[in-house]
Amino acid sequence: NAGVTQTPKFQVLKTGQSMTLQCAQDMNHNSMYWYRQDPGMGLRLIYYSASEGTTDKGEVPNGYNVSRLNKREFSLRLESAAPSQTSVYFCASREVGDSPLHFGNGTRLTVT
Amino acid sequence: RKEVEQDPGPFNVPEGATVAFNCTYSNSASQSFFWYRQDCRKEPKLLMSVYSSGNEDGRFTAQLNRASQYISLLIRDSKLSDSATYLCVVTRDNYGQNFVFGPGTRLSVLP
Repeated sequence: NAGVTQTPKFQVLKTGQSMTLQCAQDMNHNSMYWYRQDPGMGLRLIYYSASEGTTDKGEVPNGYNVSRLNKREFSLRLESAAPSQTSVYFCASREVGDSPLHFGNGTRLTVT
Repeated sequence: RKEVEQDPGPFNVPEGATVAFNCTYSNSASQSFFWYRQDCRKEPKLLMSVYSSGNEDGRFTAQLNRASQYISLLIRDSKLSDSATYLCVVTRDNYGQNFVFGPGTRLSVLP
């Protein structure tokens, strides 16, 4: 029972490099989300996808792009990494209605 | 004012103690409410949803006061394993697509 799976778990990038964070869920959820968590800032929404084929910006979308590849997968891309993007990134999914978010294990990203 | 505010903490309590966490939210359109716990360097995990009538799950009791825009979490008979950060979470709008997280309150249960 995997739930929400994120890869990689850890990543170190140099400024200007690009990378894609992968997320997949096996709960047949419609909605998927990308958050970042920084000390003292709490969790902040980067992008979300209410359903397959749609994506919307969240609170802090600058510097990121997303792709909802299919119902299971939602990827987050950093085209040109900056030190300000050093953070822990969490993917989450949920069903419709009042259902809660289910989180993946997170990706710890350091940009030097 | 932040959209979701919580007790600043940390709370250091002995095993067996009862501890209460408070949370206030500013958006009166908020529809859904949750408490999550987050262990150090781990992902947030759902502790319980919060319903208008209040609800209980074992040692945990959650209350919601929509008029005052206030949510609470009560933990009875604290265990060492309850040590974590507790996050208050509300939805931002009627569609429930935007979840807003409080900054969290850290709890340490001491032997």
